[in-house]
Amino acid sequence: ELTQPPSVSVSPGQTARITCSGDELPKKYAYWYQHKPGQAPVAVMLKDSERPSGIPERFSGSSSGTTATLTISGVQAEDEADYYCQTADVSGTYVFGPGTKVTV
Amino acid sequence: EVQVEESGGGVVQPGGSLKLSCAASGFTFSDSALHWVRQASGKGLEWVGRIRSKTYNSATEYAESVKGRFTISRDDSMRMAYLHMSGLKTEDTAVYFCSGMIGDAFDVWGRGTRVTVSS
Repeated sequence: ELTQPPSVSVSPGQTARITCSGDELPKKYAYWYQHKPGQAPVAVMLKDSERPSGIPERFSGSSSGTTATLTISGVQAEDEADYYCQTADVSGTYVFGPGTKVTV
Repeated sequence: EVQVEESGGGVVQPGGSLKLSCAASGFTFSDSALHWVRQASGKGLEWVGRIRSKTYNSATEYAESVKGRFTISRDDSMRMAYLHMSGLKTEDTAVYFCSGMIGDAFDVWGRGTRVTVSS
């Protein structure tokens, strides 16, 4: 099971940090997805800290112990969305966090 | 362009069945795992299940909430994946997304198809 804060509010140009906690995270990678209403989700961070091609440099990720963190530096209005962390369970299944609504 | 597109959603009565389809293009479909993820209204993303590639015998895994009721299949020749849903419950009402796992992540997603289970 993964836990995330329900919401994060940030002013344009500031830094948003979204945490994801789970007992599996010391052993498993965390992935992050951005989801805007009515659109397809988009992967914004892979394997804790790898930014996929096409994702702006203001997105970064890290992980330490049982907590993974997605950081958005210099937040822009277009970053307003729901963000979900995800990991693989030891049983071969997958789990998403409950999501964090980022309001700019 | 790398993309997947879901179809087949609709309204079905409790206890009924429905088959969703996922059409893929722009990536090596036969080498990729295909997942189904759902989102109930006002709720977060919930992983439903996965089918692996033929290399891994097209093995499937499912979330406990759908195990025994949902089945995922694939047709590599048609670049299609399917979610067969039976014994539907009102709590299965959601938008269902197909996602292709090209690497280790849910790399490509569709916009989803809506399933409503209601009498």
